[in-house]
Amino acid sequence: IAGITQAPTSQILAAGRRMTLRCTQDMRHNAMYWYRQDLGLGLRLIHYSNTAGTTGKGEVPDGYSVSRANTDDFPLTLASAVPSQTSVYFCASSDSDNYGYTFGSGTRLTVV
Amino acid sequence: GQNIDQPTEMTATEGAIVQINCTYQTSGFNGLFWYQQHAGEAPTFLSYNVLDGLEEKGRFSSFLSRSKGYSYLLLKELQMKDSASYLCAVMDSNYQLIWGAGTKLIIKP
Repeated sequence: IAGITQAPTSQILAAGRRMTLRCTQDMRHNAMYWYRQDLGLGLRLIHYSNTAGTTGKGEVPDGYSVSRANTDDFPLTLASAVPSQTSVYFCASSDSDNYGYTFGSGTRLTVV
Repeated sequence: GQNIDQPTEMTATEGAIVQINCTYQTSGFNGLFWYQQHAGEAPTFLSYNVLDGLEEKGRFSSFLSRSKGYSYLLLKELQMKDSASYLCAVMDSNYQLIWGAGTKLIIKP
């Protein structure tokens, strides 16, 4: 089934630990995005990539890094997790500026 | 700054009609999207408006007025499965989506 796969589904992480959230799509979409969703705040863009080999910073990039070595994969890394990074993380992709995004099922991350 | 406003929560009755409003102020405009998000799930695409007017898709319709910075999502013949959050998002001049916080719609029998 075509779509976006995120892993893990959920994770409890000790503060200070490094963590990589995985995102893979099989739709050959050029653009990919990482969002965090917190209650009452809506979706906030962390990082994005318009095409393989390029990345850009979103609204809330601090404490996060991404890479886009190929079209399909767009991992998000927390170098040293802090409790404020507790959130639900969604990866998304799109193949056109004028159409909707397809979202992965999300990763629920708790930093303790 | 960029801003998307929509009501936090709305309640409606099964079988009725509900209108969810969205107002926006963004740097540029390249379209407005509505998404549906059930609790614990990912957002799913509902509609896209780039020109003024009404777009109808089954029980759901979406309206846009660019001059007023205003959109609404109209849901007819409400069903219990329509209980969800509805997210309004605007694509700005950089082709980035700016998201509202979402409207939680509660359907009562």
